[in-house]
Formats: sequence, structure tokens, C-alpha cells
Amino acid sequence: QQKVQQSPESLIVPEGAMTSLNCTFSDSASQYFAWYRQHSGKAPKALMSIFSNGEKEEGRFTIHLNKASLHFSLHIRDSQPSDSALYLCAVSMGGRALIFGTGTTVSVSP
Amino acid sequence: GGIITQTPKFLIGQEGQKLTLKCQQNFNHDTMYWYRQDSGKGLRLIYYSITENDLQKGDLSEGYDASREKKSSFSLTVTSAQKNEMAVFLCASSIGRTGGYEQYFGPGTRLTVL
Repeated sequence: QQKVQQSPESLIVPEGAMTSLNCTFSDSASQYFAWYRQHSGKAPKALMSIFSNGEKEEGRFTIHLNKASLHFSLHIRDSQPSDSALYLCAVSMGGRALIFGTGTTVSVSP
Repeated sequence: GGIITQTPKFLIGQEGQKLTLKCQQNFNHDTMYWYRQDSGKGLRLIYYSITENDLQKGDLSEGYDASREKKSSFSLTVTSAQKNEMAVFLCASSIGRTGGYEQYFGPGTRLTVL
């Protein structure tokens, strides 16, 4: 049974700094990896996704995936107060449903 | 664009009561999902459905029933509400029938059991 864990549980970063979030998964057959963001009281929204090993950048956001180490990460460059939210990683194996992680709460201090 | 509507927004029930939550989507998506979220933590999958009249159990299905009678709607029933239970139930949909597609979420139903 796939296990998806996130670290840290929460963090506070100063405005303009880099935010780095981690996600580990347990099944090496996993094929799809995504990050979602949920602002307080709102619905989760997809941020970025990746299928193969390596790095993908979209604006201030970068995903790194290393399947061999069962790890992927999200990095937010030049963090803004509007980036304060709950971040959820999610992993899928082939035809199976997405399994979400435990969440990391990010607070960006002005 | 499309939208996911969940009703009701707030649901207050009594211990042992059967409670039903409803979800509608107009994306024309194949797959719909129900998740439970406790205290702003991660999402736990209760049920999902890849097409009309299909039901697949998630890790948290015990204590819940689901129904997908139309492509556009997916309902969830709490079969016996537990005292002091508090959670947000999120409905989502995706275009594909596997996990590798973006999911779109509704605003949630907040459940409180007295």
C-alpha cells in the first residue's frame, strides 16, 4: 500500500527567500507526481506535475524528482505572502487513484 | 471552464445519524472522487468512480457509502455519524480514468457531529 509522507510539517520563511518542500513515497512503480496548493478555507488547486526523473520549472516553482531515492520536492523562489498555504504532494501508480501526502503548512512573513 | 458544486456547505448531525453529501460537476469529467480532510491536514480517499454506476473503495471507505447514478453527480453517505466528528469532505473530478490527471476540487462540505 502506497505511503506518501511530507516534510517538514510546517515552516515559516521570510518574504523573498526560497521555500523547499519534500515528499517521499514508498512504491518505486509510481508514475505520476504532483503538487497541490490549498489556501485557507479554499479548495486545493494543482500547481505542477511531473512524470519522469529530473527537474521541471514553471515561473517561480520547480519540481525535482528522483525515483530511485523515492523522493520529489517543490522549490518556490522569491516566496511571497500569497504563497502562504497548505502544500500537498500526490503520487499515482499507473491506473490507480492519486494518493495525497500529509501536507506542509507554509507561512511567508513580510 | 467548469465548476464543482457541493451541497450542503455546512452539515450538522447527531451521533448515529445517516447523512448525505452531494457533488455536481459540469466539466463532463469521467472520474469523480470523495476525500476527507481533518484539521487542515492531508486528503484521505474515501471512494472514487471512473464512470456512471462504478464505485471503487479508497483507504477510508469503512463507515461510508457512495453512489454515482449520473456522470455529472456523485453522492457520499455517512452511514452512522460519530460523536464529536469534525471534518471537511472534498469532492473532485478529473478527465481521465487513471490517477495521472489533474484533479479539480469543489469548495467542500464541513461536517460537525454533536
